[in-house]
Amino acid sequence: DTGVSQNPRHKITKRGQNVTFRCDPISEHNRLYWYRQTLGQGPEFLTYFQNEAQLEKSRLLSDRFSAERPKGSFSTLEIQRTEQGDSAMYLCASSLRGGAEETQYFGPGTRLLVL
Amino acid sequence: AQKITQTQPGMFVQEKEAVTLDCTYDTSDPSYGLFWYKQPSSGEMIFLIYQGSYDQQNATEGRYSLNFQKARKSANLVISASQLGDSAMYFCATGRAGNNRKLIWGLGTSLAVNP
Repeated sequence: DTGVSQNPRHKITKRGQNVTFRCDPISEHNRLYWYRQTLGQGPEFLTYFQNEAQLEKSRLLSDRFSAERPKGSFSTLEIQRTEQGDSAMYLCASSLRGGAEETQYFGPGTRLLVL
Repeated sequence: AQKITQTQPGMFVQEKEAVTLDCTYDTSDPSYGLFWYKQPSSGEMIFLIYQGSYDQQNATEGRYSLNFQKARKSANLVISASQLGDSAMYFCATGRAGNNRKLIWGLGTSLAVNP
């Protein structure tokens, strides 16, 4: 399967702990996006990378959140000192810049529950 | 600023019938794209169909078609010959065409297909 993959699929943690999620995009895609989706809502943009450069960050991304894409391939999203309000589905998507429609293809998501 | 409005929280349709899911948008971008995604209970966002703001014809992909009315700023999704597997959340989203970088999403519509 050459789609977008995300690990872990589920994460339960206690408040105050750090968590890290990984996203592996479609191999030839040079853009990678992170979104957060809470119950009953549509996804909200968090950040995106073009190759290894982080080009845009949402104001939703507090200083407890950090994302990296060190070699322009996989990406990690780390949340430090988790809070109960961080409980959500974290979605990763990738796309190929330059396509007429530049469709974003999504992974299965990581469901985070902060107790 | 961009905004997507989906006014139907839930819809029901009989198997094999057609259904229309509404989407209106607001954007200041001169060139933009409109997307529909399906999200089953598993959580993964599945791309369905794309419409570019300068496309002269309505987009079609198999049983999915997009009824694009630019003057009304609407981009309704039509699903023909509904199947039980179509039961899911459906999200409309918009982004800058050709350089989307991020998608702005509606709240979604929950579709239930009855046998």
